[in-house]
Amino acid sequence: DIVMTQSPDSLAVSLGERATINCKSSQSVLYSSNNRNYLAWYQQKVGQPPKLLINWASTRESGVPDRFSGSGSGTDFTLTISSLQAEDVAVYYCQQYYSTPLTFGGGTKVEIK
Amino acid sequence: QVQLQESGPGLVKPSETLSLTCTVSGGSISNYYWNWIRQPPGKGLEWIGYIYYSGSTNYNPSLKSRVTISVDMSKNQFSLNLSSVTAADTAVYYCAVGVTSSWFDPWGQGTLVTVSS
Repeated sequence: DIVMTQSPDSLAVSLGERATINCKSSQSVLYSSNNRNYLAWYQQKVGQPPKLLINWASTRESGVPDRFSGSGSGTDFTLTISSLQAEDVAVYYCQQYYSTPLTFGGGTKVEIK
Repeated sequence: QVQLQESGPGLVKPSETLSLTCTVSGGSISNYYWNWIRQPPGKGLEWIGYIYYSGSTNYNPSLKSRVTISVDMSKNQFSLNLSSVTAADTAVYYCAVGVTSSWFDPWGQGTLVTVSS
């Protein structure tokens, strides 16, 4: 199984400041034949199901604000919220789809400082 | 836009079988991969498995011996059976769509299943 490790477990950021979440996979999720990273990011607000934000490590889903961005390749990935808004308070998860079983990181809780 | 809704008992006794159904609306169950994912209270997400509309399945090895996912195309539904449940199976169970063996979008709202006598 590919183990996904997120850091930090939680972070508190002031409104308008940058939030950075890290995700590390136990093996590369970069598929060499198409040079794509098989990694997605989700946002889960309290009492709601997860919402897909980003796939292919850096492709924003339609309707996702551009303050959310994904980067990284191979085994190390980052989700950045460039200017934190109140509505961004949530738990964020990374997920690999390079191989089954499909696996998630443990989550990072983002709060307002 | 496809929408999903989970349904089933909210309480299951230990050693019994948990059975849930996901009803798909706004689109056909033909094509796509139909997934079950669970989240214990206050914890992270665990992929249970998926079924392709043709009937082929892929299960998480950690649960494989106890899981069956099936599809009913005539009702536009797919189902989860998890046998021999224990308190560790208490979780919110979500159904979700995958384009392939990939990311999940969209998700159902989830249903809490508690395993208790």
